[in-house]
Amino acid sequence: EVQLVQSGAEVKKPGESLKISCKASGYTFTTYWIGWVRQMPGKGLEWMGIIYPEDSDIRYSPSFRGQVTISVDKSITTAYLQWTGLKASDTAIYYCARHRGTGWYYDYWGQGTLVTVSS
Amino acid sequence: QSALTQPASVSGSPGQSITISCTGTSSDVGYYNLVSWYQQQPGKAPKLIIYEVGNRPSGVSNRFSGSKSANTASLTISGLQAEDEADYYCTSYTRNSILIFGGGTKLTVL
Repeated sequence: EVQLVQSGAEVKKPGESLKISCKASGYTFTTYWIGWVRQMPGKGLEWMGIIYPEDSDIRYSPSFRGQVTISVDKSITTAYLQWTGLKASDTAIYYCARHRGTGWYYDYWGQGTLVTVSS
Repeated sequence: QSALTQPASVSGSPGQSITISCTGTSSDVGYYNLVSWYQQQPGKAPKLIIYEVGNRPSGVSNRFSGSKSANTASLTISGLQAEDEADYYCTSYTRNSILIFGGGTKLTVL
């Protein structure tokens, strides 16, 4: 059974750093891209970027390039999303999802990680 | 790259059919057959219901169907049920090699 299990909710202060995780299981991790999607409170879904675990090839949305870092540790089948200087506007739910490369769609999703940035 | 355009809300009565539109441009929806649709229930992660314009994943009801004409994709839900009440999002791959989402449509079952 394919599963993507994300790390728990986080509460951070502006300027702090954060790395959230997405543990994959039930399939060959290195042969599917993993993507990240943001959902701000009460808002829609936004595509952040994708990573290919086999070689860490990364594609960022222009809106998020330079704002976050996507990475992966294939030895533990885990993808990461990282910030070095959080802002209040980073408050959102972040989802990881298995990306079907040729079709550009997401067939399995994590449960989401709520990140709250507040002073 | 702008988001795809969806109606903010649609509604229908049980048993009826509704259609949600998703309008893009000749550089995304109109260029590729790479439109997908997701259903998001309150407090839950999105769920894939249509991929590559009109394909349904295993386990998704055949009441859900997708189509495309020029720069507009459509999701049709037939035989509307109370459990269909949710937010629906379309996505498309673009010639800029990125994925864009629609703004989302809230479906209310009356």
